Amino acid sequence: EAGVAQSPRYKIIEKRQSVAFWCNPISGHATLYWYQQILGQGPKLLIQFQNNGVVDDSQLPKDRFSAERLKGVDSTLKIQPAKLEDSAVYLCASSGGGQPLFGSGTQLSVL
Amino acid sequence: GENVEQHPSTLSVQEGDSAVIKCTYSDSASNYFPWYKQELGKRPQLIIDIRSNVGEKKDQRIAVTLNKTAKHFSLHITETQPEDSAVYFCAASMNNAGNMLTFGGGTRLMVKP
Repeated sequence: EAGVAQSPRYKIIEKRQSVAFWCNPISGHATLYWYQQILGQGPKLLIQFQNNGVVDDSQLPKDRFSAERLKGVDSTLKIQPAKLEDSAVYLCASSGGGQPLFGSGTQLSVL
Repeated sequence: GENVEQHPSTLSVQEGDSAVIKCTYSDSASNYFPWYKQELGKRPQLIIDIRSNVGEKKDQRIAVTLNKTAKHFSLHITETQPEDSAVYFCAASMNNAGNMLTFGGGTRLMVKP
């Protein structure tokens, strides 16, 4: 089966610019996650969707981060405006009721 | 919320030796504990997991043990090989299916040939 697809693979922006990441989960997976992985650290959950509803976004910095999954399939994570400390790999994962399966991530560098 | 501590942060072993990575968690409600392997520049991949109704689980050269009373769990890799070199992450979740995982900080394992 096809895995979790993410794009772009890499993104370099300057601070205060905006950026968006896209994720297409495994077909049929109702649960979608966005994780932030700062270099040298474990992934940190930003937001979890169940279909098109938000289950948990308690660790999402809502003043600058937003995410949507309007049709309950693919999802977009946006940062506006970006800060230097947002430099990280943004991992999307999906689950069909079992363990989440991760995409390859988008590596963001904020200069 | 849940807090997961992982030790050591780096571990170097000789090929053929065993490696042990330990994690502690804070919330006694956690009941699902997966371990992920992440090679450089690649996605985390699940290698083994354990649920709170089990004390030990083994899969070929890897095993995981869980002590619910002490709130700690460990990954054991025997007969290590160079291809075991990677960063390993433990995680904990309260809903037995991997939702809302809290990850440890990771252990960089280096297996020297």
